[in-house]
Amino acid sequence: AQSVAQPEDQVNVAEGNPLTVKCTYSVSGNPYLFWYVQYPNRGLQFLLKYITGDNLVKGSYGFEAEFNKSQTSFHLKKPSALVSDSALYFCAVRDGRAAGNKLTFGGGTRVLVKP
Amino acid sequence: ETGVTQTPRHLVMGMTNKKSLKCEQHLGHNAMYWYKQSAKKPLELMFVYNFKEQTENNSVPSRFSPECPNSSHLFLHLHTLQPEDSALYLCASSPTDTLSSYEQYFGPGTRLTVT
Repeated sequence: AQSVAQPEDQVNVAEGNPLTVKCTYSVSGNPYLFWYVQYPNRGLQFLLKYITGDNLVKGSYGFEAEFNKSQTSFHLKKPSALVSDSALYFCAVRDGRAAGNKLTFGGGTRVLVKP
Repeated sequence: ETGVTQTPRHLVMGMTNKKSLKCEQHLGHNAMYWYKQSAKKPLELMFVYNFKEQTENNSVPSRFSPECPNSSHLFLHLHTLQPEDSALYLCASSPTDTLSSYEQYFGPGTRLTVT
């Protein structure tokens, strides 16, 4: 079984401040982890992924995420948030040992960056 | 959002109508997905198709009928819907080879309103 949790429904941050969106996961095998962003009335856009290798993954629009196996976490970070980063963010996981190609998504975290 | 297109972008239908949603992907993927996104449940997987064959039906009511004539096209046929079916319907596609990470690419969605 695979599951993912995003403990915060909303994160508020001032423009220019660091942004962190939390994600924890549970899988039986090796985790494949993803972050997506959704702007209003749009589909989900891929930001970054962790499959293997370096624990710090860099992605689009200046975002990065850190894989922490001991804490089963994959938090999304951006050093300096922009107002345009205001959106809905989804974390997703796939068990690398599982058959099939199903991703399990978290409930989403709404980010509001204030000027 | 490039690579996966969905039509129509907006649809209003009565409970007795029959309509269809269309999804097309230009990425050469062999897996396609339908998701429902609503305020109550942010992202629900509905159906999965691999190489035109349905491999997952997530207990979706029969008033939703998917069709996958080839690996590039996916339809969702709608009939006798209920007001609670109003939501954003997202289509996605992904590769299926064992060396890939099964990253999914999403279309912009169809905003469905059932009156």
